[in-house]
Amino acid sequence: GAVVSQHPSWVICKSGTSVKIECRSLDFQATTMFWYRQFPKQSLMLMATSNEGSKATYEQGVEKDKFLINHASLTLSTLTVTSAHPEDSSFYICSASQRADTSTDTQYFGPGTRLTVL
Amino acid sequence: QKEVEQNSGPLSVPEGAIASLNCTYSDRVSQSFFWYRQYSGKSPELIMSIYSNGDKEDGRFTAQLNKASQYVSLLIRDSQPSDSATYLCEGNNNDMRFGAGTRLTVKP
Repeated sequence: GAVVSQHPSWVICKSGTSVKIECRSLDFQATTMFWYRQFPKQSLMLMATSNEGSKATYEQGVEKDKFLINHASLTLSTLTVTSAHPEDSSFYICSASQRADTSTDTQYFGPGTRLTVL
Repeated sequence: QKEVEQNSGPLSVPEGAIASLNCTYSDRVSQSFFWYRQYSGKSPELIMSIYSNGDKEDGRFTAQLNKASQYVSLLIRDSQPSDSATYLCEGNNNDMRFGAGTRLTVKP
């Protein structure tokens, strides 16, 4: 089966610093990658969708200048949380899809990254 | 109204029983549907996808889609304690929307 990895699996940082999270598809080419955030006991919230080589599409209410997404290759997308604050502490999950039309394609989820901002 | 709605539960069933999880959706997300299982502190894992009206079976899991009534359900037969998790419903019309999840507990 398709495997998606994330790195790091957890990170603790000081308020005001920036944190980069990597998402890699290990055995397939991911045309589309998605970034989610999940607060405790809440559902996944889609933050943004990125297609390789183009700018990410952000969901309403997600600050694109704060959450920088780069999808430079078909196997790697990065999410950088800039000037992180305690309210950014959350579980960040990426997923990948092989096709641009995601309506019928399976998403493969990464294991998630737990971010704690002190 | 949310585009994808799930009963947040919690739902508790005894081991060996059938667990029934339901999800209703708006027109906006009416193309295809996915059920995920998420253990606490872990990312979701895909259980089933369903695109057409009717039932789709995979082992102990059966997904049911009724487009006329705009609901999709997941049945888990012979429930096991290891099935205890949060189950997420996703509606996708090239625009993904997740339900809030239903927490299932299977008691031994």
